Amino acid sequence: AQSVTQLDSQVPVFEEAPVELRCNYSSSVSVYLFWYVQYPNQGLQLLLKYLSGSTLVKGINGFEAEFNKSQTSFHLRKPSVHISDTAEYFCAVKAGGGNKLTFGTGTQLKVEL
Amino acid sequence: NAGVMQNPRHLVRRRGQEARLRCSPMKGHSHVYWYRQLPEEGLKFMVYLQKENIIDESGMPKERFSAEFPKEGPSILRIQQVVRGDSAAYFCASSPRGSETQYFGPGTRLLVL
Repeated sequence: AQSVTQLDSQVPVFEEAPVELRCNYSSSVSVYLFWYVQYPNQGLQLLLKYLSGSTLVKGINGFEAEFNKSQTSFHLRKPSVHISDTAEYFCAVKAGGGNKLTFGTGTQLKVEL
Repeated sequence: NAGVMQNPRHLVRRRGQEARLRCSPMKGHSHVYWYRQLPEEGLKFMVYLQKENIIDESGMPKERFSAEFPKEGPSILRIQQVVRGDSAAYFCASSPRGSETQYFGPGTRLLVL
């Protein structure tokens, strides 16, 4: 079975500052990794994904994430955040050959002026 | 290409009534997944279906919940005799055959009074 830990439930940050949202996973098999963003009362939008290849993946809205197999991490970063980035961010893992996504509990990013 | 469609977006039921949630996958997607998001929690997998087949229902409560994805028409998540604890956001996701990526709909927010 897989599990995902997002240690930070809330991350406040000032506009134009950099941000890192942490995600660690546990799995006994190879995995695929995803970050989704959820704006209030909306569905989940795919930000980026790691399936294979380069461990640094770039997504939409200027976000990127790095897959670190030895540390079982997939942290999400943005060099300069905007007010519109205020949302909840979910890290998810899917086992190779599996069907379902296993989600973390989410990190609420609050960008302040 | 329209995204994953879900309706209704909001549903209010009294205890003991039935709730029917509908999901139309993206065009060309033959795999449908249902997830539930309880307040202040991440998404939890419920069921994975392909046309006319339930592939994995390991996350479905054993009683009162059922799902189908008929040959024609949307996928339906049915909750019989709803209780207050069923109040949650229910999300549908779809993917094309052979893809690891799931695309989410806007969700149905169920409130049981």
